[in-house]
Amino acid sequence: EAQVTQNPRYLITVTGKKLTVTCSQNMNHEYMSWYRQDPGLGLRQIYYSMNVEVTDKGDVPEGYKVSRKEKRNFPLILESPSPNQTSLYFCASSSNGGYGYTFGSGTRLTVV
Amino acid sequence: TQLLEQSPQFLSIQEGENLTVYCNSSSVFSSLQWYRQEPGEGPVLLVTVVTGGEVKKLKRLTFQFGDARKDSSLHITAAQPGDTGLYLCAGGSGTASKLTFGTGTRLQVTL
Repeated sequence: EAQVTQNPRYLITVTGKKLTVTCSQNMNHEYMSWYRQDPGLGLRQIYYSMNVEVTDKGDVPEGYKVSRKEKRNFPLILESPSPNQTSLYFCASSSNGGYGYTFGSGTRLTVV
Repeated sequence: TQLLEQSPQFLSIQEGENLTVYCNSSSVFSSLQWYRQEPGEGPVLLVTVVTGGEVKKLKRLTFQFGDARKDSSLHITAAQPGDTGLYLCAGGSGTASKLTFGTGTRLQVTL
């Protein structure tokens, strides 16, 4: 089944403890992207990648890192999480960004 | 920063009614995508429009891209409870790897 898989689905962590949210797609897509979704603010793009080793900042990149060492994986790294990074995170992939993305099921992160 | 405003924010209607959701911006987009999101899940792509003036139909859903590629609309005919969800428009820029989402329209269809 074609899908984008994120792990974990739920995560509660403490301020300053580094964490990684994994994202993997099995559709051989070139484009991958990370979003966060917050009440009243909607979906905002954090980082995106157009190919292996090619990444760029979205609208809210501060406090996040990404890497694209292989086509199928696009992990999101929070080096020193803070409470304002508590959010619902989505990974998405696309064969051609202009024609629509397939989203993962989301990761609900709480930083205390 | 490009902005996409959707209206209305909330819509509660009865089964069988028609409705239109609007997605407006002052910016030009290379493509306009519509998604539906259920609680606890990621958005699911409904349609992509890329040409100004383009109209696409998906069963009871009709999508239109404005002539100037700055706005779009989603019309649902004879709404059903299964149409309930959060509807999101998203504008693509350049290669469309950069995607800007609208504020969302929460639709509830009751029997």
